Amino acid sequence: QQPVQSPQAVILREGEDAVINCSSSKALYSVHWYRQKHGEAPVFLMILLKGGEQKGHEKISASFNEKKQQSSLYLTASQLSYSGTYFCGTEGGGNDMRFGAGTRLTVKP
Amino acid sequence: GAGVSQSPRYKVAKRGQDVALRCDPISGHVSLFWYQQALGQGPEFLTYFQNEAQLDKSGLPSDRFFAERPEGSVSTLKIQRTQQEDSAVYLCASSFQANSPLHFGNGTRLTVT
Repeated sequence: QQPVQSPQAVILREGEDAVINCSSSKALYSVHWYRQKHGEAPVFLMILLKGGEQKGHEKISASFNEKKQQSSLYLTASQLSYSGTYFCGTEGGGNDMRFGAGTRLTVKP
Repeated sequence: GAGVSQSPRYKVAKRGQDVALRCDPISGHVSLFWYQQALGQGPEFLTYFQNEAQLDKSGLPSDRFFAERPEGSVSTLKIQRTQQEDSAVYLCASSFQANSPLHFGNGTRLTVT
């Protein structure tokens, strides 16, 4: 079962913040976040394991609420380099990694 | 190698031809995944290997699709009698173990004419 991401697309000005949401209909053990730029491979951003932790990576952080089977990715003070498509990947504990349809983020000067 | 390597980078096949796509994972990575990515979509799961064992092939769209990883390292995805709907980017990813980050290759863009 694929996770559902929202929004599908977002346009920001440099310095603005954004939140990308990911939800699943099944119990989750972990959530992964990846960013893919046009014509390139997805690149790992962070992984959140069952336990509701929040992790950070530069000005990008994420939370995981396993009771609600949801995760959110927070991008603060966005930079031009943040542009790309963000995917969440979810695992139920059996190496059953499934990806959402993606959120296309465009950061403009 | 430094990363996951896929070949060929591009493949054009005439409808009905067979194709073979190769993936060289990062050395020592136990898990290997194949995904199909259509334009503007997320990666769709095809199959998963743990070492040489194919533990999940539920995402393979038809019996024309076949994957193997005989020695637990290099993997090959084979598509027989290609159809136009098979046109997509095929991504391979490997990880050290369960619940660790996936490292993706640059993919093979398959175009069926």
